[in-house]
Amino acid sequence: GAVVSQHPSWVICKSGTSVKIECRSLDFQATTMFWYRQFPKQSLMLMATSNEGSKATYEQGVEKDKFLINHASLTLSTLTVTSAHPEDSSFYICSARSGTGQDTQYFGPGTRLTVL
Amino acid sequence: QKEVEQDPGPLSVPEGAIVSLNCTYSNSAFQYFMWYRQYSRKGPELLMYTYSSGNKEDGRFTAQVDKSSKYISLFIRDSQPSDSATYLCAADIGNFNKFYFGSGTKLNVKP
Repeated sequence: GAVVSQHPSWVICKSGTSVKIECRSLDFQATTMFWYRQFPKQSLMLMATSNEGSKATYEQGVEKDKFLINHASLTLSTLTVTSAHPEDSSFYICSARSGTGQDTQYFGPGTRLTVL
Repeated sequence: QKEVEQDPGPLSVPEGAIVSLNCTYSNSAFQYFMWYRQYSRKGPELLMYTYSSGNKEDGRFTAQVDKSSKYISLFIRDSQPSDSATYLCAADIGNFNKFYFGSGTKLNVKP
């Protein structure tokens, strides 16, 4: 149980274009989903937290107009990187939790974004 | 000072060795402590989480928390080459909504 998927697993795009990444909880309903960013050889940096049906809460320093997060259902959250630039190239990982009991966060496999 | 500190390694051990991975933290409000394993270019995989102080064992893995010294450890017995990965510790105050991650320790188990 507790499987989280992400799509695509990797994407290459041109500078100035927008990229959408999907995160799905496959076998549970995720009341809360999280988006992280990870640079090479560094730890995970939380970008934002989203609850189903609500606006996402962004961490300090994360541009909400650049990283659009939608959590429209209990099994799907999307992260859209708008007007991507090379410095946005990174490994983006989502996680999800059901919100019941003492559950923890379960992570997706990650999406590697390369902006040319 | 970071909330959770972790030696980045790399740590290289022979197959069959006992591995000790460690983190320290600064926030005494942390109640839950997690260990994740991350293979290269993959998402973190939950190994185990513990509440407050004490030990928790799962197969070859033992997690240990000492809240008095703010020290958390993961022990791997009979280490295997397949254990080669980066191990991330994380701490949370108890709502699982904001994890504070260590920087990760890269482990290499040599056959």
